[in-house]
Amino acid sequence: GENVEQHPSTLSVQEGDSAVIKCTYSDSASNYFPWYKQELGKGPQLIIDIRSNVGEKKDQRIAVTLNKTAKHFSLHITETQPEDSAVYFCAASIVSNTGKLIFGQGTTLQVKP
Amino acid sequence: NAGVTQTPKFQVLKTGQSMTLQCAQDMNHEYMSWYRQDPGMGLRLIHYSVGAGITDQGEVPNGYNVSRSTTEDFPLRLLSAAPSQTSVYFCASSYRWRTYEQYFGPGTRLTVT
Repeated sequence: GENVEQHPSTLSVQEGDSAVIKCTYSDSASNYFPWYKQELGKGPQLIIDIRSNVGEKKDQRIAVTLNKTAKHFSLHITETQPEDSAVYFCAASIVSNTGKLIFGQGTTLQVKP
Repeated sequence: NAGVTQTPKFQVLKTGQSMTLQCAQDMNHEYMSWYRQDPGMGLRLIHYSVGAGITDQGEVPNGYNVSRSTTEDFPLRLLSAAPSQTSVYFCASSYRWRTYEQYFGPGTRLTVT
């Protein structure tokens, strides 16, 4: 089955710096890659996603890139702010009726003011 | 809309006790699922349902039962709690044709002693 590895497990940056979180997946059939942000005491919330037919997608300060050949994808956050501090999860899925999401282990991002 | 709601928020059980974690959504989503979140392991799929009367197993189904009698509700039952089931449990839902865009509830923190 699908396996998703996420690195690093913790990341600390200064406010205004960029942050990059990387994930690799094992199943070449996976074609949908969402990123979730989980704030303390809350459930994960979808922040951006990318399909396998797209190499990059951007939404304001966040962007996601996908390398299908290498089977890895990354989340990029630019001009980080303290409110970006949270746990971030990547996931991989095959778009189908089952909707199974396989999550990475999570990255705790701390943005220091 | 209230979105996805979960009760209780916190629960402490003794080994061998049973309980039901409640999940409800008011978005008319066909797809619902249960995940557990453990430190360093991300979110793992326990059970999911693609519609009323239809359920299936995820990655870690042992020790848990589910049923789906209505579109709105998807309870998770622990028949005989074990310390290994100490975790944070999240319920999620989505439209069947958009199972890749899942909405998560706030979670239930369960401790089994």
